[in-house]
Amino acid sequence: AQTVTQSQPEMSVQEAETVTLSCTYDTSENNYYLFWYKQPPSRQMILVIRQEAYKQQNATENRFSVNFQKAAKSFSLKISDSQLGDTAMYFCACHMDSNYQLIWGAGTKLIIKP
Amino acid sequence: NAGVTQTPKFQVLKTGQSMTLQCAQDMNHEYMSWYRQDPGMGLRLIHYSVGAGITDQGEVPNGYNVSRSTTEDFPLRLLSAAPSQTSVYFCASSRTGDTQYFGPGTRLTVL
Repeated sequence: AQTVTQSQPEMSVQEAETVTLSCTYDTSENNYYLFWYKQPPSRQMILVIRQEAYKQQNATENRFSVNFQKAAKSFSLKISDSQLGDTAMYFCACHMDSNYQLIWGAGTKLIIKP
Repeated sequence: NAGVTQTPKFQVLKTGQSMTLQCAQDMNHEYMSWYRQDPGMGLRLIHYSVGAGITDQGEVPNGYNVSRSTTEDFPLRLLSAAPSQTSVYFCASSRTGDTQYFGPGTRLTVL
């Protein structure tokens, strides 16, 4: 069975620091997509970044970047120059091409301190 | 564009009552899905649809029904509410099936 594991239940850093959130996944498929979603206190689920497994280049979106290690099945999210508005739950998720399901990790609560 | 909209935002039901959670999207996406989010967990898929007239079960379908008569709408029906269905419900849509865009959620409490 496919699984997604986020080993850090909670993290906190000072504003402007860099923080890395960890995610590992398990799948036997070759074609899949990996995502990081952000869920602030408003509860809205917001797409942060997307990575296609067949692309070796790590995805970036402004201050957000990933370190995708396909052989190790690792997909970490780096947030640079963290801001107070980055405070949220962050979920890692994996979508397989063979079925419709998006498999989710349990989430990491990130707190940015002023 | 409104994106994905859900109504109501909050709902309290008594055990045994039925209700429908509404979901609509204006992005002409073929794929739509319903998830529930329980405390300390990621989202779990309830039902999904790959186009009008086509629906299928996800991981936790029991106690829920769906239909997809139009591309835009994908309502979720609770047949006979139970306290175990207390949760936050999210609707999502996708053009390609992988990248999903979420509505704001409905917080449901069943007493």
